[in-house]
Amino acid sequence: EVQLGESGGGLVQPGGSLRLSCAASGFTFSTYWMHWVRQVPGKGLVWVSRISSDGSTTGYADSVRGRFTISRDNAKNTVFLQMNSLRAEDTAVYFCARDAGDYTPDFWGQGTLVTVSS
Amino acid sequence: DIVMTQSPLSLPVTPGEPASISCRSSQSLLRSNGYNYLAWYLQKPGQSPQLLIYLGSKRASGVPDRFSGSGSGTDFTLKIGRVEAEDVGVYYCMQALQTATFGQGTRLEIK
Repeated sequence: EVQLGESGGGLVQPGGSLRLSCAASGFTFSTYWMHWVRQVPGKGLVWVSRISSDGSTTGYADSVRGRFTISRDNAKNTVFLQMNSLRAEDTAVYFCARDAGDYTPDFWGQGTLVTVSS
Repeated sequence: DIVMTQSPLSLPVTPGEPASISCRSSQSLLRSNGYNYLAWYLQKPGQSPQLLIYLGSKRASGVPDRFSGSGSGTDFTLKIGRVEAEDVGVYYCMQALQTATFGQGTRLEIK
């Protein structure tokens, strides 16, 4: 069974940093691209970032480029999202998701809440 | 960015009746390989999104056959053959041709 479990969310002050992790199991992690998608509670979905199976190719939404960094450790079946210079508008639930092979997320984790507030 | 526009935004449906959601993209999602890079998701209350349809019309594994996707280019439709109570939630279309973008969501509720 495919499982994705996010962690690392919490309350952080504007300008601060957080590192999200997503632990994967139930599939051959090293062969799949991975995504991060966020959702302000009660609002819609916004794609954040993706990374290729070997970590060599990454992509970012304009709103986070230069502040967020996606990475992965295939030996530990984990994908990360390093978030720096956080802003109030980054407050959201962050989901990690596996790519189905056509830049389309298929399986999603349950999400971790990031709150940026003073 | 490609803008995705869904309609309606709210959809009250009687159980057993069909339902249809429209999604339009600001540019064609059809690639030279013949596939439309359009997906549909359902986010049930309190849950993470689940993939229903990918590449415009392909049903994801385990998705009931009452769900179907159609369309090409810029106009797409998700149809539910006969709505069941468990289909309640917010439906999103998403384009995967470029940097992914989602529609605003359509909230399906039971009358």
